[in-house]
Amino acid sequence: SQKIEQNSEALNIQEGKTATLTCNYTNYSPAYLQWYRQDPGRGPVFLLLIRENEKEKRKERLKVTFDTTLKQSLFHITASQPADSATYLCALGEYGNNRLAFGKGNQVVVIP
Amino acid sequence: ETGVTQTPRHLVMGMTNKKSLKCEQHLGHNAMYWYKQSAKKPLELMFVYNFKEQTENNSVPSRFSPECPNSSHLFLHLHTLQPEDSALYLCASSQEGEVGEAFFGQGTRLTVV
Repeated sequence: SQKIEQNSEALNIQEGKTATLTCNYTNYSPAYLQWYRQDPGRGPVFLLLIRENEKEKRKERLKVTFDTTLKQSLFHITASQPADSATYLCALGEYGNNRLAFGKGNQVVVIP
Repeated sequence: ETGVTQTPRHLVMGMTNKKSLKCEQHLGHNAMYWYKQSAKKPLELMFVYNFKEQTENNSVPSRFSPECPNSSHLFLHLHTLQPEDSALYLCASSQEGEVGEAFFGQGTRLTVV
């Protein structure tokens, strides 16, 4: 069966450190992968998109990697700040099909 | 703001009530979606509309009835819901045929009592 796995345990991290989240998938052949941020009681907000032929993408303090051999994406927040505390969702997509499949999300708590 | 507006933000309804959720997008997108988000579960895609036509219904019970009168508006009509239908209902829009992000509304927190 198809699965998208994100760590169910919250990641507690000291301010200033790098937070790293993992998204693993099975029985998917995604053309691209997206990361979203979701705050409590709010809708997800898009952060980054990485395509299958890209190894790494950066945006400000965010970095995403995509390894189609390992079927894994890593999401990094460098120099983390308390304002980065949220739940981060990964989502897989296919070309010609805008149906995103989401993981459950991984909560990040940045401790001042 | 994301350009996708959902109303109401919160809704409490009895199991015999009929209510509707509304979604409006001002982004010029041609695809709109309803998702359900329950605690500890991934977002579940419920319905997809492309160019106002429903193209996907992911085995959603008939007590949920979508309506898309035009490409900017999407409704979810609710009737005789069950307590397990309590969840955050999210509307999203995107541009069909392009690789890009989905824009989500703030969601409606639904409680069925």
